[in-house]
Amino acid sequence: EAQVTQNPRYLITVTGKKLTVTCSQNMNHEYMSWYRQDPGLGLRQIYYSMNVEVTDKGDVPEGYKVSRKEKRNFPLILESPSPNQTSLYFCASSPGQGASLSGGYTFGSGTRLTVV
Amino acid sequence: AQSVTQPDIHITVSEGASLELRCNYSYGATPYLFWYVQSPGQGLQLLLKYFSGDTLVQGIKGFEAEFKRSQSSFNLRKPSVHWSDAAEYFCAVGPNANAGKSTFGDGTTLTVKP
Repeated sequence: EAQVTQNPRYLITVTGKKLTVTCSQNMNHEYMSWYRQDPGLGLRQIYYSMNVEVTDKGDVPEGYKVSRKEKRNFPLILESPSPNQTSLYFCASSPGQGASLSGGYTFGSGTRLTVV
Repeated sequence: AQSVTQPDIHITVSEGASLELRCNYSYGATPYLFWYVQSPGQGLQLLLKYFSGDTLVQGIKGFEAEFKRSQSSFNLRKPSVHWSDAAEYFCAVGPNANAGKSTFGDGTTLTVKP
């Protein structure tokens, strides 16, 4: 089944303890992106990657890191989480560059992160 | 900078009634536009997309949307709403072939009355 898999689904952590949220897609998509969703604010883009080893900042990159060492994986790293990073996080992927990038996103099921 | 505005935070319609959700965008070039639906506690699912060609596009679940460049709008419509359509709907611009950024609206929550 074509899908984007995020882990974990739920995570409670303490301020300052480094964590990684994994994201993997099995559709050979070149484009991947991370979003956070907060009530009343819609989805805000954190980082995106248009291809392996190519990453760029979205609208809210502060406090986050990403890497894209291989096409299928795009982990989100919080080096020193803070309570304002408590949110619902979504990973998404889209096929290729060029016109095929217009295919739209396939989203993961989300990771609900709480930082206390 | 690109932006998306969904003017209606919450809409309530009766089952069987028609629906229109509004979306206005700001983008410097030809926009790639999308509508997504998020059911409670779920991820997002693509409903439909526009990037060129016919300005009236058909999507899944009986939805359609019309791109109007002169009004910078991409409104979502459905002729007859079902109770299962109750969800949150997001309009988005991008990504496209040359720009990886994408921007979502704040969403419109649809409630369906029996």
